[in-house]
Amino acid sequence: ETAVFQTPNYHVTQVGNEVSFNCKQTLGHDTMYWYKQDSKKLLKIMFSYNNKQLIVNETVPRRFSPQSSDKAHLNLRIKSVEPEDSAVYLCASSPPNTGQLYFGEGSKLTVL
Amino acid sequence: GDSVTQTEGQVTVSESKSLIINCTYSTTSIAYPNLFWYVRYPGEGLQLLLKVITAGQKGSSRGFEATYNKETTSFHLQKASVQESDSAVYYCAYNNRIFFGDGTQLVVKP
Repeated sequence: ETAVFQTPNYHVTQVGNEVSFNCKQTLGHDTMYWYKQDSKKLLKIMFSYNNKQLIVNETVPRRFSPQSSDKAHLNLRIKSVEPEDSAVYLCASSPPNTGQLYFGEGSKLTVL
Repeated sequence: GDSVTQTEGQVTVSESKSLIINCTYSTTSIAYPNLFWYVRYPGEGLQLLLKVITAGQKGSSRGFEATYNKETTSFHLQKASVQESDSAVYYCAYNNRIFFGDGTQLVVKP
């Protein structure tokens, strides 16, 4: 049963445009994440938030910015997309201490 | 630094044959991590397959097993008899900042 909801599921856009992905979790978790899964299926963490506070910010281009209004929501904005941003962006949440992740279905971005 | 290394690329196995996908981890933390296998079936989201939080113990789910070996820092995924429905991408992970392996595509041939 899905409890991490991502929108949109697909987005096609052109180089230089702005894109936003939204994520909401109904599990009551304090921690949320954004991961990038590239065409080779490699899964890399981008950001992690704990109760609206940024706690992990891996080396990602500055055009990527996360936004959290409350602990149930974590959005991802890409200011000016590049072709290498084409990927599936996965949102996840986790309860404290276990490290187990609950993933959304992903948002696939195609940059033409 | 911290890392997770698993069997690379694609593994092709005939139905009813056995499977092993290797996973080893490296961490600078003094604490033993929790270990996980995640799976992504075609058309579905990434989901937990099994986890083990205590060194020496075995986790199991859907016929898959993995034993947490702290001496060899390994957490290999095994199944005695695979089915076509097991075809998916499998990721090994541990919870020190949630490191994932690079994923292994399993293709089960009928």
